[in-house]
Amino acid sequence: DTAVSQTPKYLVTQMGNDKSIKCEQNLGHDTMYWYKQDSKKFLKIMFSYNNKELIINETVPNRFSPKSPDKAHLNLHINSLELGDSAVYFCASRLGTPSSPLHFGNGTRLTVT
Amino acid sequence: GESVGLHLPTLSVQEGDNSIINCAYSNSASDYFIWYKQESGKGPQFIIDIRSNMDKRQGQRVTVLLNKTVKHLSLQIAATQPGDSAVYFCAERKTGNQFYFGTGTSLTVIP
Repeated sequence: DTAVSQTPKYLVTQMGNDKSIKCEQNLGHDTMYWYKQDSKKFLKIMFSYNNKELIINETVPNRFSPKSPDKAHLNLHINSLELGDSAVYFCASRLGTPSSPLHFGNGTRLTVT
Repeated sequence: GESVGLHLPTLSVQEGDNSIINCAYSNSASDYFIWYKQESGKGPQFIIDIRSNMDKRQGQRVTVLLNKTVKHLSLQIAATQPGDSAVYFCAERKTGNQFYFGTGTSLTVIP
């Protein structure tokens, strides 16, 4: 199936740990994104990345870092996890054309205890 | 039924009625807008989009209206069905291909 897929779907970990969330898209898209959705359902952009440019939302702590081994993957690494990092994280991708929408994965629910 | 977007995050409508979900966007330079539907446990799904050079666009049972003068976007759903129950988001594209989402409106369809 063509899709944006994220793993794991659920991630429970303790404060201070380092964790990664993986994202892969087989849609041939140029640009990938990470979004954070809080308990009030607000979707906040964290990063956008294509093979030329990484744009980081200025409010994202530097404990978060995206890593792209190739055009189809954008993984999210989080160091020194904090309670406030608990949220659902969504990966998305899109073509680089002007009127191309975002295609989302089904999310990773991160719980920090 | 009709929501006032950011100020009324929930909307309940009777099955078969039309629904209107509203969104106020922030940037007059935004040139592309999208409506998404998010069901529980899933990622946002694309519904319909519109470019800033258009005022209206129709899909199957859905219509998006764009009023650039007041920076307002609305999603109309005709003959709302129980399967339409979800959270609906508008998104605007700002410079650098950054997409920013509104607060979201939770739509509940009463059978």
